[in-house]
Amino acid sequence: NAGVMQNPRHLVRRRGQEARLRCSPMKGHSHVYWYRQLPEEGLKFMVYLQKENIIDESGMPKERFSAEFPKEGPSILRIQQVVRGDSAAYFCASSPAGTRYEKLFFGSGTQLSVL
Amino acid sequence: QKEVEQNSGPLSVPEGAIASLNCTYSDRGSQSFFWYRQYSGKSPELIMFIYSNGDKEDGRFTAQLNKASQYVSLLIRDSQPSDSATYLCAVKGAGGTSYGKLTFGQGTILTVHP
Repeated sequence: NAGVMQNPRHLVRRRGQEARLRCSPMKGHSHVYWYRQLPEEGLKFMVYLQKENIIDESGMPKERFSAEFPKEGPSILRIQQVVRGDSAAYFCASSPAGTRYEKLFFGSGTQLSVL
Repeated sequence: QKEVEQNSGPLSVPEGAIASLNCTYSDRGSQSFFWYRQYSGKSPELIMFIYSNGDKEDGRFTAQLNKASQYVSLLIRDSQPSDSATYLCAVKGAGGTSYGKLTFGQGTILTVHP
């Protein structure tokens, strides 16, 4: 039973380029979360999605960031026109539906480096 | 005041000792509390969760929750060098959120030396 799969593991972009981070949840999980971990900081919630729906994007920066979880395929976190401050580890987590206390299972993360 | 605050550490204990990690939270309506372990460069791994006041034990780990004091702790008995990691306290708040929107503390680095 594969865990939460994220790719790429490392992503290097120059300022102004686009970054696309992918996440496939655990089998049977229909809830996906994206968290960001900046250097020397804790994990920060970004967005919560279910299939074809954004449920809570209160942690997403207002500009340049977007997320989707299509009916087929992985969830995508997209960062347009990246800046150096976007350099961070981006973790995806998933959980099954209908779980009252929502334990999260995290993927290995994508380390984004902006040059 | 930070929403979730952990003792800053780093915390260093000898092998075989008890490591005590502490966390306070500001949202009095918080419902669920989690401890994650994160090795350097790796993903967070859930090791304990607690919802009710009191103690919850799982092997060498004990989570303690005191909602009146807004305090949650993690005790690691018989600490091993393999326990050396960053421990993240996470809280799921009130406000009707029934999903996994967690607020994390900044983490406490634990080092267990032989």
